[in-house]
Amino acid sequence: EVQLLESGGGLVQPGGSLRLSCAASGFTFSSYAMEWVRQAPGKGLEWVSSISGNGAITYYADFVKGRFTISRDNSKNTLSLQMNSLRAEDTAVYFCAKTAISWYFDVWGRGTLVTVSS
Amino acid sequence: DIQMTQSPSTLSASVGDRVTITCRASQSITSWLAWYQQKPGKAPKVLIYKASSLESGVPSRFSGSGSGTEFTLTISSLQPDDFATYYCQQYNSYSWTFGQGTKVESK
Repeated sequence: EVQLLESGGGLVQPGGSLRLSCAASGFTFSSYAMEWVRQAPGKGLEWVSSISGNGAITYYADFVKGRFTISRDNSKNTLSLQMNSLRAEDTAVYFCAKTAISWYFDVWGRGTLVTVSS
Repeated sequence: DIQMTQSPSTLSASVGDRVTITCRASQSITSWLAWYQQKPGKAPKVLIYKASSLESGVPSRFSGSGSGTEFTLTISSLQPDDFATYYCQQYNSYSWTFGQGTKVESK
């Protein structure tokens, strides 16, 4: 069974840092691009970042560029999101998602909540 | 960035109703559009990809159509399990963008 499990969320002060992880299982992890998508409380879905299967190509939404870094360890089937200089508006549930061959998001994790507050 | 606009934002319907949700892109995305269903506290689930292809395991009452800038998601006969929020998403060009969502609620 294909599964994604996020971890690392929590409460952090403005300006702080947090590292999210996503453990993948049930598929050949290195063969697929992966994504981070977030959802602020009561709001819609917002794409955050993408990374290619080999990790060589990354993309970021403008609102996280320069603050967040996506990475992956294909030997450990793990996707990561390093979040620095966090702001109150980064408060959200962060989902990792697997990109299908046709580029839509075919598998999602349950999400991990990040709260940025003093 | 490509903007995605869904309408309506909220839709009140009854079991058995035919439901249609529209999604418009600010520029052509050919057929690179997906539809997702999300229930409260849960992860989104893909229903339709490439505008009209039904994801494996998704009931056939869901269908998608359109190309270019205008797309629709249709539920042919609304079932109790279908009350949820629906999002369109373009994957034609980065940054990937989602519509603001359409909540389907019970009339």
